[in-house]
Amino acid sequence: DIVMTQSPDSLAVSLGERATINCKSSQSVLYSSNNKNYLAWYQQKPGQPPKLLIYWASTRESGVPDRFSGSGSGTDFTLTISSLQAEDVAVYFCHQYYTTPSFGGGTKVEIK
Amino acid sequence: QVQLQESGPGLVKPSETLSLTCTVSGGSISSYSWYWVRQPAGKGLEWIGRFHGSGTTTYNPSLKSRVTMSVDTSKTQFSLRLSSVTAADTAVYYCAISSGANLPFNYWGQGTLVTVSS
Repeated sequence: DIVMTQSPDSLAVSLGERATINCKSSQSVLYSSNNKNYLAWYQQKPGQPPKLLIYWASTRESGVPDRFSGSGSGTDFTLTISSLQAEDVAVYFCHQYYTTPSFGGGTKVEIK
Repeated sequence: QVQLQESGPGLVKPSETLSLTCTVSGGSISSYSWYWVRQPAGKGLEWIGRFHGSGTTTYNPSLKSRVTMSVDTSKTQFSLRLSSVTAADTAVYYCAISSGANLPFNYWGQGTLVTVSS
């Protein structure tokens, strides 16, 4: 099984500033046949289900603001919120779908 | 727009079987891969199992001996049974779907809280 490790557990960022969340997989989630990273990011607000933000490590889901971006390859990935807005307060999870699914432990983003 | 809705008892006694149903609307059930995911209060997400449109199922090894999943295409419903529950099974249970195997979860139900307690 692939273990996903996120860091930090939480972070507080001022409005308009950048937020960066890291996710590391215990083995590569890059499939060489199609050169795709089987890595997604979700946003979860209190009392709501997770919402898909990013897939294939860097492709934004339709309707997701462009202040959200994903990067990385292989085992190391990053979700960046370029200019934090109040509505971005949430917990963010990474998810590998290369093999049987597994999720990172989550990163709580708050306003400083 | 595809919508999913979980239903089932919110309280289950220890050692009994948890049974949940996920009903889909707005989409063809046979086109997707189906998943159950749970989340204990204040904690992360745990994948329980998946059911592919081909009819194959795969379960989380840590739960495999207690889990059964099935799909009723005529009712566009997807079910979960988890036997011999303990307090550790208390969580919000979500159903989710992806457009196929090895793809992200496009749609999620709102989740249903199941508490295991006598």
